[in-house]
This record gives sequence, structure tokens and C-alpha cells, in this order.
Amino acid sequence: DAGITQSPRHKVTETGTPVTLRCHQTENHRYMYWYRQDPGHGLRLIHYSYGVKDTDKGEVSDGYSVSRSKTEDFLLTLESATSSQTSVYFCAISAQGLAGQETQYFGPGTRLLVL
Amino acid sequence: QQPVQSPQAVILREGEDAVINCSSSKALYSVHWYRQKHGEAPVFLMILLKGGEQKGHDKISASFNEKKQQSSLYLTASQLSYSGTYFCGTVWGRNTPLVFGKGTRLSVIA
Repeated sequence: DAGITQSPRHKVTETGTPVTLRCHQTENHRYMYWYRQDPGHGLRLIHYSYGVKDTDKGEVSDGYSVSRSKTEDFLLTLESATSSQTSVYFCAISAQGLAGQETQYFGPGTRLLVL
Repeated sequence: QQPVQSPQAVILREGEDAVINCSSSKALYSVHWYRQKHGEAPVFLMILLKGGEQKGHDKISASFNEKKQQSSLYLTASQLSYSGTYFCGTVWGRNTPLVFGKGTRLSVIA
């Protein structure tokens, strides 16, 4: 257990509304990641953070923004949700991040349905 | 560019062996393997660094052929608990993020 929680765990929202997902970690890991998982696509990186206020885009960042004002929290915001953003969202952490040798630990996931 | 996993799905009887392959179009720095049970988060299995090493994890082992830009995951004497979706993740450089393949669904039946 890497001390990662995600909230909410389930959410149903309507097209056009803003949505914020929260990832919280208790072990002061520097690197945090947001992935989405869709059938037939595997896990795709949305955004990642390598420190407070330091973030970068992943391969599917369009329509998403992130913020990290504290080490322990990494927020993912859908400014105006669309049905194509219906997915399962996973947060992950790693101790040192992009060195290629680090294990990533995943949170329990958030199921988002956009109607 | 996602790594390509094969097969997409496989069904085994308990005790049988399986191999899952992961191929990249780019030179690899490392390969990571994860397993995900239905409705749960992915769980780390092992990392292989360039250099052609092979690692083991109980009856699950993996190899990394840097020259061929591919890795293989070997499941020996499969158990019901091995069922799930296996993902490889590839890293192309020291400071590049992990990119996952689409996964291989493994079902072990009695």
C-alpha cells in the first residue's frame, strides 16, 4: 500500500460541466501521474508532476488541466466534460519519477461517466 | 508510440505455461511489467533494465532483449490467481515517462 487515495471513486456528470478529481498521497513522493484507462487502449498518460507547481503534459492531455499546490495533492480538472472523457482515471506515484528505474504505484481509480 | 503486446488474449488451464511479448519500435531504456485484476488498480511485477537481463518473481519471469527492442513475460505452471490483464510499460530514455501497451488478457481456468 503506497498510501494513495483518489476522490471521488465514482462520479456521474453531464456534458459541459467542470469536474475535478483529486489524488492524495501520504508518503511525500515527488512524482505523481494521471492516467486514463479505456477498453482497447490500455493506460494512457494525461499529465504528470515532478514537484509542487511543476507539471508536464502526457500523450492525451487535451481537455485536461492539472494543479499541484502541495506535495501530497495532485488535482485533475476537466474544464468542460465531454462524453469522450468517460473513463477510469488512475493516479500513480513514484519516488524519483522519470529515471526509468522507478516502480509506479497506482491509486484505486475513479470511474467517471459523462452523460 | 505504444509498445505492441501479443497475444491480445490467452486462455490457459491450470498448470500450463504462457508467454506474453512486448515489442517497441524505439530503443528501450527499461521495460516494466504490471498485472491488473478486474476492477482493481495495476500492480507492479518487475522492471528490466537494458542489458539483456532476466528477472524472476515466483513462477513469473521476464527477459529483455535490447537488440530486438522487446521483452517477454513468462508464466510457468499457471495458477488461477494469475488471471488478469498484463501490461508492459516501456521507457525510451532516462527522463522520459512510462508508456504502456494495450495489455494482454490472461484467463486461467481449472
